[in-house]
Amino acid sequence: QAQLVESGGGVVQPGRSLRLSCAASGFSFSNYAIDWVRQAPGKGLEWVALISYDGSNKYYADSVKGRFTISRDNSKNTLYLQMDSLRAEDTAVYYCARDIGWQRQSDAFDIWGQGAMVNVFS
Amino acid sequence: QSALTQPASVSGSPGQSITISCTATSSDVGRYKFVSWYQQHPGKAPKLMIYDVSFRPSGVSNRFSGTRSGNTASLAISGLQAEDEADYYCSSYTSSSTLVIFGGGTKLTVL
Repeated sequence: QAQLVESGGGVVQPGRSLRLSCAASGFSFSNYAIDWVRQAPGKGLEWVALISYDGSNKYYADSVKGRFTISRDNSKNTLYLQMDSLRAEDTAVYYCARDIGWQRQSDAFDIWGQGAMVNVFS
Repeated sequence: QSALTQPASVSGSPGQSITISCTATSSDVGRYKFVSWYQQHPGKAPKLMIYDVSFRPSGVSNRFSGTRSGNTASLAISGLQAEDEADYYCSSYTSSSTLVIFGGGTKLTVL
């Protein structure tokens, strides 16, 4: 059964860093693009970043560009999101999500993790 | 910058049909084949209901269907059931620096 499990969330002060991980199992991780999507408390979904299946292409929302870095280790079936210079407005549940297609990039995410809460709080 | 506009809320009675619209401010929705719809129950991760405008992932009920006309995509739900009550989000793949955009979400209430 295909599954994504996030870890690494927590409470952090503004300006500090945090790294989220997303462990994949049950599918061929190295053949799927993976995205990070976040949801602030009581708000809608916001796309954060995408990494292609082989890690060669990375894209970011304007709101996190230059502060967040997406990466993956296909040998460990794990995705990462390094979040630096965190701000109060980054407070959200962060989901990793798999693109539905083999080696494809789109807005269709068929497997989602359970989410990791990040609270940027002074 | 593209944006997707959804109604804040819709409602219907059990057994009825409803439609949720998703209108793009630019031509992105009409340009790409990538329009998706997600269902989200409180405290849960989103669930993909429709992708590529009108395709249903395996396991999604055929009561859910998607269409597009110009810059407006629509999600139709027939035979409303109590478990359909949730938030619904549309999304689109874009040509802008923000690669994926989501609509603001629509709260569906089953009366």
